[in-house]
Amino acid sequence: DAGVIQSPRHEVTEMGQEVTLRCKPISGHDYLFWYRQTMMRGLELLIYFNNNVPIDDSGMPEDRFSAKMPNASFSTLKIQPSEPRDSAVYFCASSLAGAEAFFGQGTRLTVV
Amino acid sequence: AQTVTQSQPEMSVQEAETVTLSCTYDTSESDYYLFWYKQPPSRQMILVIRQEAYKQQNATENRFSVNFQKAAKSFSLKISDSQLGDAAMYFCAYKVSGTYKYIFGTGTRLKVLA
Repeated sequence: DAGVIQSPRHEVTEMGQEVTLRCKPISGHDYLFWYRQTMMRGLELLIYFNNNVPIDDSGMPEDRFSAKMPNASFSTLKIQPSEPRDSAVYFCASSLAGAEAFFGQGTRLTVV
Repeated sequence: AQTVTQSQPEMSVQEAETVTLSCTYDTSESDYYLFWYKQPPSRQMILVIRQEAYKQQNATENRFSVNFQKAAKSFSLKISDSQLGDAAMYFCAYKVSGTYKYIFGTGTRLKVLA
C-alpha cells in the first residue's frame, strides 16, 4: 500500500484565496483524521470521519474551514477565505477500527 | 483533563549509544493506548511503537523499546544503538480505548552525533 497520500505537498496562496487540501487514505481504513501542526500549538485534531461521516469537528477553528469525505478513498479540507494565521502543516491520517493512525506527509500551507 | 508532557525539548546522543526520551501523561481512564511517533525532516509522522495500557509487558520493536509505568503514568522510549537516521522529532501520544482522539505531546528533538 502506498500509505496515506496528500496533495499538494506545498501550497503558497494569497490572503483571501480559497485553498483545498486533498487526502487519499489507506485502502480499507474506516477512520480519517485531519490535523494541523504549528510551532505554537503543536498537533491539533481538526476533524475526523468514520465511514465517510464526520463524527467530531469540534477542532475546526472557524467557519472558514470545512471538510468533506465524498467516498472512502478521498477527503478534502477547504479554507475559504484563507488568512496568514492559517499557515501551518496540515496532516491527514487514517486508521482501521480506531487502531493506530497512519499519517500522510502533510501539506505545508503558507498564506501571504 | 488528559494531557501528555514531554519535558525534554531537545536531546543529543552519540551514534551507537543509547538514549531515553521521557513522556508523562495525565488521565483518569484505565484503558488506553500510548504511542511514540517519529517525525524526520521529511515531515511525515511515522509510528515507532505502541503500548496497550492493559498489557504489563513493555513493547519492543527492534532497537526501540518502552518503559511503561502505569502507576506513575510514565511512558519513556529507549533507542539502542542509535543511528544517524534516528535524528528526528519524537512525539508521545495517548488515546483512550474506544475513542479516536489522539493527544500529542510537544515533541523532543533528537540529534544523533557522528
